[in-house]
Amino acid sequence: KAGVTQTPRYLIKTRGQQVTLSCSPISGHRSVSWYQQTPGQGLQFLFEYFSETQRNKGNFPGRFSGRQFSNSRSEMNVSTLELGDSALYLCASSLKRTGGAGTEAFFGQGTRLTVV
Amino acid sequence: GENVEQHPSTLSVQEGDSAVIKCTYSDSASNYFPWYKQELGKRPQLIIDIRSNVGEKKDQRIAVTLNKTAKHFSLHITETQPEDSAVYFCAASGGYSTLTFGKGTMLLVSP
Repeated sequence: KAGVTQTPRYLIKTRGQQVTLSCSPISGHRSVSWYQQTPGQGLQFLFEYFSETQRNKGNFPGRFSGRQFSNSRSEMNVSTLELGDSALYLCASSLKRTGGAGTEAFFGQGTRLTVV
Repeated sequence: GENVEQHPSTLSVQEGDSAVIKCTYSDSASNYFPWYKQELGKRPQLIIDIRSNVGEKKDQRIAVTLNKTAKHFSLHITETQPEDSAVYFCAASGGYSTLTFGKGTMLLVSP
């Protein structure tokens, strides 16, 4: 069974540009969450999608957005990139959102974004 | 929202020793507490989790304990090995809230 796949693995962008990252969840998983990982800050929650709807949003500016498609694949977009957006962006998928077995989250390998 | 505090931030042990990492959470509605291990350059991987209806769970050399009254949970690794060296993250979630992570503990196991 294929794991969570994120593309691309690495990106270098210039300040002011925008970027789109992609996440393909494990087959059958309907929940996709996105996290930003930076040294010293751990994993900070960006947003969660389930059945094509954003269910939760973290404390990030509106420049960060996302969406989920009918096949559960998800994309996140960052507009007007800033130097501080440089980070590892991780997505995680789970079978369902809440309650009991099936809520275990599995991570992709991440996209390393560098803003110069 | 949920807030998860994790201690210590760095832990150095000798091979064969035990290691304990502690986390506290703020939201009494949280009912799911996973632990992730992240090796350098790799994705976080779930190593063990516990739900609020149990107080302890073991899987070979690792165990997790949960004290719902005090709102804290801990990861215990016995007979540590160099390959246990990694960053460990605790997390909490409940109701319709998503996982909130601690800031991580870097575990260094010296041969």
